[in-house]
Amino acid sequence: DGGITQSPKYLFRKEGQNVTLSCEQNLNHDAMYWYRQDPGQGLRLIYYSQIVNDFQKGDIAEGYSVSREKKESFPLTVTSAQKNPTAFYLCASSIINREAFFGQGTRLTVV
Amino acid sequence: AQSVTQPDIHITVSEGASLELRCNYSYGATPYLFWYVQSPGQGLQLLLKYFSGDTLVQGIKGFEAEFKRSQSSFNLRKPSVHWSDAAEYFCAASDTGRRALTFGSGTRLQVQP
Repeated sequence: DGGITQSPKYLFRKEGQNVTLSCEQNLNHDAMYWYRQDPGQGLRLIYYSQIVNDFQKGDIAEGYSVSREKKESFPLTVTSAQKNPTAFYLCASSIINREAFFGQGTRLTVV
Repeated sequence: AQSVTQPDIHITVSEGASLELRCNYSYGATPYLFWYVQSPGQGLQLLLKYFSGDTLVQGIKGFEAEFKRSQSSFNLRKPSVHWSDAAEYFCAASDTGRRALTFGSGTRLQVQP
């Protein structure tokens, strides 16, 4: 089945720890995105990439990093610099300038 | 700044009643417009999309939306709501400059039996 796979579904982070969220797509889409979702705030763009080895900051990039070494993969690292990382993280992909397709999300909790 | 506004945070309708969810956008030029639906703890599913042409757009699950340039709106409608429509609905927009979706804050729909 074609689609977007995010893993893990649930992730727990200790204070001061970096964690990496995985996002893989087999839709052959050029563009990939990471969004953060908090209650009552909709989705906010963290990073996006339109081509391998290139990516742009979104509205809330501070405390996050990404890489795009392969077309299929766009992992997100939540660093210790992100002071309030507890949220629901959504990865998406698209053909450029077309609708985005979303994964099932990763819920990150700081313990 | 480009933005998408959903004025209603929470709406409750009775099953079988009609539904309209509001969405307004603020962009320099007409953006591409989308409606997505999200069940709790899940990803987003695309309901419908508008790029150009006919201003009344049909989507999945019996939903439709109307683009009104004069009002900068893209409201979502359904003539008869089913209990399974209870979810959160997001309006989104993008343009060729940014190339990433900007989302409204969402409207949570509750359906009463």
